[in-house]
Amino acid sequence: DARVTQTPRHKVTEMGQEVTMRCQPILGHNTVFWYRQTMMQGLELLAYFRNRAPLDDSGMPKDRFSAEMPDATLATLKIQPSEPRDSAVYFCASGTGVGGYTFGSGTRLTVV
Amino acid sequence: GESVGLHLPTLSVQEGDNSIINCAYSNSASDYFIWYKQESGKGPQFIIDIRSNMDKRQGQRVTVLLNKTVKHLSLQIAATQPGDSAVYFCAATYGNNRLAFGKGNQVVVIP
Repeated sequence: DARVTQTPRHKVTEMGQEVTMRCQPILGHNTVFWYRQTMMQGLELLAYFRNRAPLDDSGMPKDRFSAEMPDATLATLKIQPSEPRDSAVYFCASGTGVGGYTFGSGTRLTVV
Repeated sequence: GESVGLHLPTLSVQEGDNSIINCAYSNSASDYFIWYKQESGKGPQFIIDIRSNMDKRQGQRVTVLLNKTVKHLSLQIAATQPGDSAVYFCAATYGNNRLAFGKGNQVVVIP
């Protein structure tokens, strides 16, 4: 089965450090989402891309978060500087708008 | 923005019984809806979807019902099995196909 690959699976970092999360969408999928999941807020949309163009990143704190798609096989989400409140599971999902969107296994981020 | 929420936080169901999970959405312009299942430590897994031009869609042991008049959808799981224990999310598209999720509903299957 085709899958969305996210790396790393787990990341523990100190407050103030830069964190980069990577996502390899399924080949042929033209839409990529980044979500953050916490117990309190559930799944929050951070950013999404269509055909590598950013369509919406209004869910991200702009001063510290950035999302890019340098090419069709890679999406990145960066946090600089990281803060303890950024601790969450970050999911990437890809799709074409038909048949739902496929999620990766997530990156569990802990900022201490 | 879009608000998507679930009515019941936890549903306990006897193995073999049918389960019904409900979801309300707020944006009448939403035209695509998806149900996801999330098991512990994993990403959400697609179960079934439905477009707004339909009111019912069936899959394997699952049925999604959509009532656009009251902005409500439900997921029915037939003959619930222990492997169905998970958190179930509804999601709806809004504004240029953004996808908003509800808070989730825990389903616990009692053997």
